[in-house]
Amino acid sequence: GAGVSQSPRYKVAKRGQDVALRCDPISGHVSLFWYQQALGQGPEFLTYFQNEAQLDKSGLPSDRFFAERPEGSVSTLKIQRTQQEDSAVYLCASSEYLNRADTQYFGPGTRLTVL
Amino acid sequence: AQSVAQPEDQVNVAEGNPLTVKCTYSVSGNPYLFWYVQYPNRGLQFLLKYITGDNLVKGSYGFEAEFNKSQTSFHLKKPSALVSDSALYFCAVRGGNQGGKLIFGQGTELSVKP
Repeated sequence: GAGVSQSPRYKVAKRGQDVALRCDPISGHVSLFWYQQALGQGPEFLTYFQNEAQLDKSGLPSDRFFAERPEGSVSTLKIQRTQQEDSAVYLCASSEYLNRADTQYFGPGTRLTVL
Repeated sequence: AQSVAQPEDQVNVAEGNPLTVKCTYSVSGNPYLFWYVQYPNRGLQFLLKYITGDNLVKGSYGFEAEFNKSQTSFHLKKPSALVSDSALYFCAVRGGNQGGKLIFGQGTELSVKP
């Protein structure tokens, strides 16, 4: 079946612009995660959802970052007033349940470049 | 604090030789350990995980990993490396009070030469 998809794959924004990144999880997966991967680094957790409920947003770096999953499937990560330090690859992952043993399956990522 | 360390930024091996990519972790409670591989401009692909049971875990593409509780390690291994194994490898852990999130290491670049 289809894996996790993300769009756009690449996004260039001018500093101060707002951006929206979309994630389509694997169909039926309850849990959805967002990670940020800076160049040369491992992914770092941003936030996650169980269905439409955002259970942990402790990794969001500032109040400019906002995520939603209103119908418990597709999720959008929004960054307001982008800054150069927001340049990174944003990875989305989904898992079937919210069990610590569950595997998270990742999408290809959105590479955000802020000029 | 929960953490994962991958002490080698890069590992170089010759094709056909065995490979090891090292990972150590620090977590409260029982650890759930994962290995992922990342090819250029691609997302992370799941290789294998340790949940409980046998300390030797077998995964995709001939990879395996050995969980060692006393050394808090989860090294990735393959008996015979292929050039196509060249990629970036990430170890990750999910511990008792972390909720759903994975904590990743910094990654190890594996280069397999013919």
